[in-house]
Amino acid sequence: GESVGLHLPTLSVQEGDNSIINCAYSNSASDYFIWYKQESGKGPQFIIDIRSNMDKRQGQRVTVLLNKTVKHLSLQIAATQPGDSAVYFCAEKMGGLTFGKGTHLIIQP
Amino acid sequence: DVKVTQSSRYLVKRTGEKVFLECVQDMDHENMFWYRQDPGLGLRLIYFSYDVKMKEKGDIPEGYSVSREKKERFSLILESASTNQTSMYLCASSLGYRESGYTFGSGTRLTVV
Repeated sequence: GESVGLHLPTLSVQEGDNSIINCAYSNSASDYFIWYKQESGKGPQFIIDIRSNMDKRQGQRVTVLLNKTVKHLSLQIAATQPGDSAVYFCAEKMGGLTFGKGTHLIIQP
Repeated sequence: DVKVTQSSRYLVKRTGEKVFLECVQDMDHENMFWYRQDPGLGLRLIYFSYDVKMKEKGDIPEGYSVSREKKERFSLILESASTNQTSMYLCASSLGYRESGYTFGSGTRLTVV
């Protein structure tokens, strides 16, 4: 999951498996959360969002889960593909957006 | 398709030069932001703007200034570039309502030598 430090957390998964990327957010008053995907050399791209009055939201091959009790957010990617290889950031919104440090998802063939 | 366009993908500048990074969005967004991204440090907010001619300091404004003369354009200025400003610079924009995410540009990788 997300952490402070010089090295990005890395998650390595086999192609075709499901990936779960975790994020601990800091502000219990945050009311909106977003997951971004950043491929090498590109800017972050929106994947999926969730409001604080929800605990689950599904998109195409992606699901975001929100646990407000423990201030935890997760991104699940089904049937991971090579094109999913990227750095994934969570972001919480309380006024402005605050970003996590990111998790590097690596896909093993 | 919504677009945030940063004028340069790669820039190399000399120490002491004045550097302009330009960002244009075509979505009529009220809010615009400049971030820098460094390994292990994530995205750090430099400046943002909620309206034309309006600017607010972010977390790391030192050594930078901004200009927003038109709604669609937000410029980041390095008054006197230094080597510690070598970084990836990302511009973003958003609508002004509460549950609005940010749309990012592709980034400008600036190297100061």
